[in-house]
Amino acid sequence: GESVGLHLPTLSVQEGDNSIINCAYSNSASDYFIWYKQESGKGPQFIIDIRSNMDKRQGQRVTVLLNKTVKHLSLQIAATQPGDSAVYFCAEKETGANNLFFGTGTRLTVIP
Amino acid sequence: GAVVSQHPSWVICKSGTSVKIECRSLDFQATTMFWYRQFPKQSLMLMATSNEGSKATYEQGVEKDKFLINHASLTLSTLTVTSAHPEDSSFYICSARDLIRQGANTEAFFGQGTRLTVV
Repeated sequence: GESVGLHLPTLSVQEGDNSIINCAYSNSASDYFIWYKQESGKGPQFIIDIRSNMDKRQGQRVTVLLNKTVKHLSLQIAATQPGDSAVYFCAEKETGANNLFFGTGTRLTVIP
Repeated sequence: GAVVSQHPSWVICKSGTSVKIECRSLDFQATTMFWYRQFPKQSLMLMATSNEGSKATYEQGVEKDKFLINHASLTLSTLTVTSAHPEDSSFYICSARDLIRQGANTEAFFGQGTRLTVV
């Protein structure tokens, strides 16, 4: 999904298909990135993280790819399930800082 | 994993009154906590960084006299929305990281959020 204005972009996928959610960041000083999942009315839940000295990291059914050259981060979800339906945010942290800044977010809808 | 608890989960208040939201780290000490605000269908916007034993650091455009932050202990930070108005209605979320044991490049744990409605 591409971020446009203030409205959440959306991505719809069929159950069982793979999902790819994209995030562009602008701060070249960011050294740590996290993907969060947020369900309606709840706080964000950690999915996976990656440090800037890596370009790929895998978890259970999820993979994060980091391309520092073009400042791009992606989250791949394998065999997407209805329970994966939520809003997904990337967050970045600048070197030496403690706070996280969030991207626009993408709403993922899984069609049964 | 570490848990952050936020209370209340929702509150309705009259315009002009003040509302206090609590954020607690349940199984770790948090020298620093973070407060975010989220409008419907939008992302989380960092409001301020709460520092134990010292003044909070506010992001540009956030009124420190409007959003009072107190971080009096290593497990509790509070956000008070003073003289609330309908435009303050939003979803407020706190987070904390176990910086002491795990350092800065680790996940932030989030509270459940507080839905504030000012009528």
